Amino acid sequence: NAGVTQTPKFQVLKTGQSMTLQCAQDMNHEYMSWYRQDPGMGLRLIHYSVGAGITDQGEVPNGYNVSRSTTEDFPLRLLSAAPSQTSVYFCASFRAAYGYTFGSGTRLTVV
Amino acid sequence: QKEVEQDPGPLSVPEGAIVSLNCTYSNSAFQYFMWYRQYSRKGPELLMYTYSSGNKEDGRFTAQVDKSSKYISLFIRDSQPSDSATYLCAMSAVSQGAQKLVFGQGTRLTINP
Repeated sequence: NAGVTQTPKFQVLKTGQSMTLQCAQDMNHEYMSWYRQDPGMGLRLIHYSVGAGITDQGEVPNGYNVSRSTTEDFPLRLLSAAPSQTSVYFCASFRAAYGYTFGSGTRLTVV
Repeated sequence: QKEVEQDPGPLSVPEGAIVSLNCTYSNSAFQYFMWYRQYSRKGPELLMYTYSSGNKEDGRFTAQVDKSSKYISLFIRDSQPSDSATYLCAMSAVSQGAQKLVFGQGTRLTINP
């Protein structure tokens, strides 16, 4: 029972490069989210999805894209990386009464 | 002003002490209240989940919600070195759904043997 799996764990990008952070869950949860965590800022919601084919923006969506073609997968795409996107990214899935299950995170550095 | 305020600490206490962690909030519509524990370089894990006001106890952990004061607390009894982590409060409104959480910035806690 893997829960929420994120890949890669670490990544260094150059400014302007694009990449996709992968997220997969095996709990059949409909709701999934992407958060970023920065010192002194807590966790901030980037995008979320209430089910396959349905996504919406969170608090800090600029510079990121998401799609949800299956219940299991919810990838996050950085379109053109900027140093301000240096952060730790967490994917999470949600089930009522159980709260969120988070992945172990992706540490991204943009130089 | 942030919707959820949490003292980042750090907080350092001796083993066996009672720890009190707190958050204040400004949105009176918040009804779902959660506490997450995050170990270094790990994802947050759910500790306590309460709806509306009142207390909830789970082992050494007690969560309290005081909606009149817009104040929530997490108490840890008989604290252990393994409790050393960052503790995040999180909350959401019924209209938003329990899943659309607003997080505090977290309090870093160290329990000294």
